[in-house]
Amino acid sequence: SYVLTQPPSVSVAPGKTARITCGETNIGSTSVHWYQQKPGQAPILVMYYDSDRPSGIPDRFSGSKSGNTATLTISRVEAGDEADYYCQVWNTYFDPVVFGGGTKLTVL
Amino acid sequence: QVTLKESGPALVKATQTLTLTCTFSGFSVYTSKLRLSWIRQPPGKALEWLARIDWDDEKFYRTSLKTRLTISKDTSKNQVVLTMTNMDPMDTGTYYCARIADEYGSGWFYFDEWGQGTLVTVSS
Repeated sequence: SYVLTQPPSVSVAPGKTARITCGETNIGSTSVHWYQQKPGQAPILVMYYDSDRPSGIPDRFSGSKSGNTATLTISRVEAGDEADYYCQVWNTYFDPVVFGGGTKLTVL
Repeated sequence: QVTLKESGPALVKATQTLTLTCTFSGFSVYTSKLRLSWIRQPPGKALEWLARIDWDDEKFYRTSLKTRLTISKDTSKNQVVLTMTNMDPMDTGTYYCARIADEYGSGWFYFDEWGQGTLVTVSS
C-alpha cells in the first residue's frame, strides 16, 4: 500500500520556522497537498500542488518537494498556527486518496 | 459562498446501516463538474478517505471498505449520500464531506471545501 510518513509532532518557538515533512518513495511523481486542522474543526487546505497557496492563507506558509520528501514550511510561527497538519496525495496504486498520519505542531 | 453540511444519526448500533447526507450549496453539479468525497476521522486519529462521486456518476471507493460503502447523489436536492453497512464500533468517528478540486486539470485532486463534519458513534 501507499504510505505517507509524517513525524507525529513538531515543536517550535513563536517567531521561528517550523518544517513539517511528508515522505514516500514515489512522491516525486505526484503532487502533494496540505491541510491544517485545529481541535474540533474541519480541516482547511493550506497548500496545494506542492507549493501553491490558497487565497486567504498567509504567505508565511510555503511548500516544497525534493527527492522523496515534501515539506510544509511555516515561517514566523504564531500561536494560532498550533494545529494538526496532514499531507495528501492522489494516486492510482491502491486507494485513490492517501493522507499522511498527521503532525501535531506545538508552539512553545 | 460554498457550503457543505453533513447530516445523519449521531448514534447507531453495531451491525446497522449508516446513512449520511451531504447537502451543498454555492456551486452547480454540472457547470462545476462536481466531484465530492466522504472522509472520516476516528477520535484522535488521522483522516481516512472513504468514497468519491463525480458529476457524471462515476464512483470510487476505499478498497478495504468497498463491500460496505455506497455513494450516490441527488442533483435535484444538491445532496450526496453515503451508506455504510454492518457498522462496527471501530467505525466511530467524525464523517466529513469535501469538495474535490483540480485547478490545473492535472488529475492531482485536492479537497478545497469541507463540511463541518458529523460525529457518529457506534455502540456495541
